[in-house]
Amino acid sequence: DIVLTQSPDSLAVSLGERVTLNCKSSQSLFYKSNKKNYLGWYQQKAGQPPKLLIYWASTRESGVPDRFSGSGSETDFTLTITGLQAEDVALYYCQQYYGAPYTFGQGTKLEIK
Amino acid sequence: DVQLVESGGDLVQPGGSLRLSCAASGFTFGGFWMTWVRQAPGKGLEWVAVIKQDGSETDYVGSVKGRFTISRDNTKNSLWLQMNGLRVEDTAVYFCTRGGGDSRWRPSDFWGQGTMVTVSS
Repeated sequence: DIVLTQSPDSLAVSLGERVTLNCKSSQSLFYKSNKKNYLGWYQQKAGQPPKLLIYWASTRESGVPDRFSGSGSETDFTLTITGLQAEDVALYYCQQYYGAPYTFGQGTKLEIK
Repeated sequence: DVQLVESGGDLVQPGGSLRLSCAASGFTFGGFWMTWVRQAPGKGLEWVAVIKQDGSETDYVGSVKGRFTISRDNTKNSLWLQMNGLRVEDTAVYFCTRGGGDSRWRPSDFWGQGTMVTVSS
């Protein structure tokens, strides 16, 4: 199975600051035939189901604020929040859908400092 | 609006069985792969199973293979997860999610609220 390792496990950031969350894969998630990285990012707020933020590593889902952006390729990926807002407090998970089972990272807990 | 509503979660003894249901609305159910994802209390997410639009293809995470069966009825806009031989480690909230329309290799773009399964004696 593909293992995704997220870092850090948790972090506290001041409002308005930039946040960088990382996700490292045990194998490449880049499919050469279509030049896409099979990685997504989800946000899960307390008591709610996860919400898809980013897919293909860098494509923002419809309705997601543009302060959220994804980058990276092959085995190393980043979710960036530019200008943290109070409503961004949540757990963030990366998921690969390159190979079954579609594994998730262990999550990063984001809090306000 | 897309809606996925799970039901069927309950307290069950180890070794027991349970059938989860997911009622879908707001989209062409038969046009999408569907998945189940679970989350143990206070833990992360675990993908459980996936089923193709016509039910002809399924796949499971290793820990549930041979015990769980995913199925669907497109005429009823319904998805199910039959869980047999339940173990304490199957205790989790089970989410029904929508997968890809053109391929199975897609993320889950809509999620239900989940249904709680507790396996305990």
